[in-house]
Amino acid sequence: SQQGEEDPQALSIQEGENATMNCSYKTSINNLQWYRQNSGRGLVHLILIRSNEREKHSGRLRVTLDTSKKSSSLLITASRAADTASYFCATDKDRGSTLGRLYFGRGTQLTVWP
Amino acid sequence: EPEVTQTPSHQVTQMGQEVILRCVPISNHLYFYWYRQILGQKVEFLVSFYNNEISEKSEIFDDQFSVERPDGSNFTLKIRSTKLEDSAMYFCASTGGQLGDTQYFGPGTRLTVL
Repeated sequence: SQQGEEDPQALSIQEGENATMNCSYKTSINNLQWYRQNSGRGLVHLILIRSNEREKHSGRLRVTLDTSKKSSSLLITASRAADTASYFCATDKDRGSTLGRLYFGRGTQLTVWP
Repeated sequence: EPEVTQTPSHQVTQMGQEVILRCVPISNHLYFYWYRQILGQKVEFLVSFYNNEISEKSEIFDDQFSVERPDGSNFTLKIRSTKLEDSAMYFCASTGGQLGDTQYFGPGTRLTVL
């Protein structure tokens, strides 16, 4: 299947520490997106990284993409209690295969303790 | 910042009843999607919609489901005869002018089928 799979399933850290979550996928992609979901709420888009990009930054977020290893990582620096949420990666497929459909993994549940 | 909106936030219905979930995508977007998330599981694609017709649908999207864009702003998902297993969070998403752009998700409608 195409789905991204996040690792670890759960991560528990103290405020101020960095959190790293990984995502692996199986087939070639056009782009990969990271989303956050607070418990029972909607999906908030964090970052989109395209297959020809290796790294992107947005505030305290840093995303890397290694297409040779079919993997991506999301780093949250100087974490805060408010970062507590589930984090998902979502992949599409190369154009011509599907029309924008996203494939989600099961997510990493991040807990940041004050 | 423009956002995708969904109504209602929570819908409770009896098994066998019809429900219509409503979405207002971001106004200049062209591609529209429905996803669902059963409690504790990953987000699953249901259907994509472009140029007033279905572009792709998953195996979940059977004859009980239909989508419609009745006017220039609304995008609806109808479940004709709900089943217990349809209980889930349903998310609408939209993308701008190009495939591979960011998919923005609405806050979701929690559907409970009794």
